[in-house]
Amino acid sequence: DAGVIQSPRHEVTEMGQEVTLRCKPISGHDYLFWYRQTMMRGLELLIYFNNNVPIDDSGMPEDRFSAKMPNASFSTLKIQPSEPRDSAVYFCASSFSVGVTDTQYFGPGTRLTVL
Amino acid sequence: AQKVTQAQTEISVVEKEDVTLDCVYETRDTTYYLFWYKQPPSGELVFLIRRNSFDEQNEISGRYSWNFQKSTSSFNFTITASQVVDSAVYFCALSEGDTGTASKLTFGTGTRLQVTL
Repeated sequence: DAGVIQSPRHEVTEMGQEVTLRCKPISGHDYLFWYRQTMMRGLELLIYFNNNVPIDDSGMPEDRFSAKMPNASFSTLKIQPSEPRDSAVYFCASSFSVGVTDTQYFGPGTRLTVL
Repeated sequence: AQKVTQAQTEISVVEKEDVTLDCVYETRDTTYYLFWYKQPPSGELVFLIRRNSFDEQNEISGRYSWNFQKSTSSFNFTITASQVVDSAVYFCALSEGDTGTASKLTFGTGTRLQVTL
């Protein structure tokens, strides 16, 4: 079975540009999570969805960040406008809530560099 | 608020040595889950183990073993006969909630393990 798929794997952009990160969760999973990893702050949860509905976006740093999940197989995280401090690795994860299998499985991450 | 502490920032061992990675957690909930993830140099996060708060049995998987002790709020990870391929950053994580719902993962800061020949 395919794991969580993220694209692009690497993104280099200039300050002020819009950046869109994409995620395809594992088929059948009903939860989707976006995390950010930096040296200073470690791994932090940005937002998560259940059945395509945002449940908690308290980790989204500011209004420049937005996330959508238009259907069960696709989610985007958008940064507009991007700033150098947004440089990080962004991970998407998914999980299946039924029964005891609510383990989060992570995608390979997108390494974002904002110049 | 929940918290996960991995006091060991970096550990270096020689191949075939045993190594234990420490994890101490804080939570007010009686139902919670503990996880270990591995992040190799390639960068992905690989799930290793999940343990719920009602199951204190230690677990062994090949060279890996986990020691969960509620009395000390610890969930330590031991690699026996370490190998170079074990070199990675290892994260301990905690989630609170009941079975059937997903909840936030709180990660520790990670322990970087370097295994040399």
